[in-house]
Amino acid sequence: DAGITQSPRHKVTETGTPVTLRCHQTENHRYMYWYRQDPGHGLRLIHYSYGVKDTDKGEVSDGYSVSRSKTEDFLLTLESATSSQTSVYFCASRDRDPYGYTFGSGTRLTVV
Amino acid sequence: GNSVTQMEGPVTLSEEAFLTINCTYTATGYPSLFWYVQYPGEGLQLLLKATKADDKGSNKGFEATYRKETTSFHLEKGSVQVSDSAVYFCALSFYNNNDMRFGAGTRLTVKP
Repeated sequence: DAGITQSPRHKVTETGTPVTLRCHQTENHRYMYWYRQDPGHGLRLIHYSYGVKDTDKGEVSDGYSVSRSKTEDFLLTLESATSSQTSVYFCASRDRDPYGYTFGSGTRLTVV
Repeated sequence: GNSVTQMEGPVTLSEEAFLTINCTYTATGYPSLFWYVQYPGEGLQLLLKATKADDKGSNKGFEATYRKETTSFHLEKGSVQVSDSAVYFCALSFYNNNDMRFGAGTRLTVKP
């Protein structure tokens, strides 16, 4: 099916380990986003991409890095996971319509 | 900075009750405003939007009016159904700005 898929859907990892979350879209959208969702905060932007190899920081980028080597894939990496990064992570994408966001189903990450 | 404040939940209603979820915003300039809905285990879906003052967004029986004078965008539905149970997010964005700001979300439960 077209749309966005995120992998893994759930992950438990230990403090200090590296973690990579993957977002894959089949819409050929130019823009892609990574958000985290936490109780009381809604969704907050971590990083976004406006094209292959073009990325920029969002509101809560510390401790995260991203890469986009292909239009369809946007990777989020936690270089050394901390308990404060326990969250639900959502990927989103859009094309030229500035309001036409499509969201993935999320990845629940637990750092123990 | 730009931000969105929503009424805290959870909100529990009986089927066919009237729904209001309050949303106010703070922004420099005139953003576009959105309501997103998140069903259990899924990503966010756009419910409705309004791009300028006095616009009314509507979809699936839900409505919200962009009130510049009160900086508000309250979500309403005249008769809720059990299937409306979800988390609702108010959000704002500026045209071609890659930083959509979300409220904390309001969980709605509708009981038969």
